[in-house]
Amino acid sequence: GAGVSQSPSNKVTEKGKDVELRCDPISGHTALYWYRQSLGQGLEFLIYFQGNSAPDKSGLPSDRFSAERTGGSVSTLTIQRTQQEDSAVYLCASSLGTFTGELFFGEGSRLTVL
Amino acid sequence: AQSVTQLGSHVSVSEGALVLLRCNYSSSVPPYLFWYVQYPNQGLQLLLKYTTGATLVKGINGFEAEFKKSETSFHLTKPSAHMSDAAEYFCAVSVGSGGGADGLTFGKGTHLIIQP
Repeated sequence: GAGVSQSPSNKVTEKGKDVELRCDPISGHTALYWYRQSLGQGLEFLIYFQGNSAPDKSGLPSDRFSAERTGGSVSTLTIQRTQQEDSAVYLCASSLGTFTGELFFGEGSRLTVL
Repeated sequence: AQSVTQLGSHVSVSEGALVLLRCNYSSSVPPYLFWYVQYPNQGLQLLLKYTTGATLVKGINGFEAEFKKSETSFHLTKPSAHMSDAAEYFCAVSVGSGGGADGLTFGKGTHLIIQP
């Protein structure tokens, strides 16, 4: 596609439920990033993919969070047994792979856990 | 590890006035520095970046930033604010040539408010 596409744009769920957030990067971009944006907290790095592998999972906040990427393209971020503190905007970004600092961001998925 | 500090979570200026958003970084090696802008309900987009060479870099929409190594700063400026500049601005630093967590470390952001 022309840009990074994320779905759903908004998700309201009940505490304890599992959620899946999807990211479709720009075609040809080998690197894919997930960030979490909370009010007043800036962007928190979660995980990075190069192709289908994730060399850096250091930012995942707990073992309830996992992510995968298939076919070097679409990525899914899964949050199990959601908690209220998981409420945030989850941003996905992609880049060409050789790091130039230009990440292309999607519009984000806003998660609200009641 | 690198870090970024943005002074002022909110900055308010009048339309037509100078915009100055402050960013200081911490890095043990020469950094790459970036400013991203986020308009309401949108993702972030790159405004400008410094990698090597000229320390004054120009970006989109009339913004520019100057890398000052002695001050470990990369402040963002625009001579004359426009209403359309109202947005969230993020400074970021990288010391990695690859990706990953050392790819980009973001500041907490500065919300720019433009008064008519």
